[in-house]
Amino acid sequence: DVKVTQSSRYLVKRTGEKVFLECVQDMDHENMFWYRQDPGLGLRLIYFSYDVKMKEKGDIPEGYSVSREKKERFSLILESASTNQTSMYLCASSFSTRDHQPQHFGDGTRLSIL
Amino acid sequence: AQSVTQLGSHVSVSEGALVLLRCNYSSSVPPYLFWYVQYPNQGLQLLLKYTSAATLVKGINGFEAEFKKSETSFHLTKPSAHMSDAAEYFCAVTPAGYNKLIFGAGTRLAVHP
Repeated sequence: DVKVTQSSRYLVKRTGEKVFLECVQDMDHENMFWYRQDPGLGLRLIYFSYDVKMKEKGDIPEGYSVSREKKERFSLILESASTNQTSMYLCASSFSTRDHQPQHFGDGTRLSIL
Repeated sequence: AQSVTQLGSHVSVSEGALVLLRCNYSSSVPPYLFWYVQYPNQGLQLLLKYTSAATLVKGINGFEAEFKKSETSFHLTKPSAHMSDAAEYFCAVTPAGYNKLIFGAGTRLAVHP
C-alpha cells in the first residue's frame, strides 16, 4: 500500500513565524500535491510538483512556497504565517498524470496560527 | 472554469437505507471522475473512479456510481447504509488534458440506528 506521511498531525504557531510542513511518500511517485481543506470549501490546491525541483502553482498559492529536493519529499512553507492560514493541510501523491492515476493522501496536519 | 457541485452538505439516513450522494460537474468534454471518502481525523481514501471504460463503476465498501453524460452527473449510491459509512464524501473531477483534481465542497453523511 502507498504510504503518505505528514510529519505532524497538529501544529500551533504564532503570527509571523516561518512554518514548514513536511510530507514523505514511499512509492516512488512522480507527482506530489499540497491542499488546504476548509469547511464548506472542499479541498483547494496550493502547489503541486511533477518532478524533483519542479513546482507549479495551484489555485491558492499566495502566502505559500514549496520545496522538492528529493523525489519522496515535498515541503510546504508558510513564509510568514497569518491567522487566515489556520486550516487542515493535506499532502497527496500520484504515480503519474498519465491515465489519471488516483491521488493518495496523508492523514493531514491541522495547523493553528495564533 | 471547471467545477464540481455536490448537492447537500449534510445527508442523514437510517441504517439499512439507501445512500444517495449527488455530484454534478461542468466540463465541455467528458472528464475523469472520482469519489473519495474521509473518515474522522484521516486523509482522503479513494472509493472509485470513472475513466470512460464503463458508465457504472463499482468501488469499495459496496459503493457504486453511475456516469450520466446527458445529465453531467456522477451520483454515488449504496443500497444499504452501515453505521461505519458515516464520513465526509468528496466528488472530484480531472478534465481531460488537465492534470489536477477539482473537488466539490463535500457531503457529510450521518447514519443513525
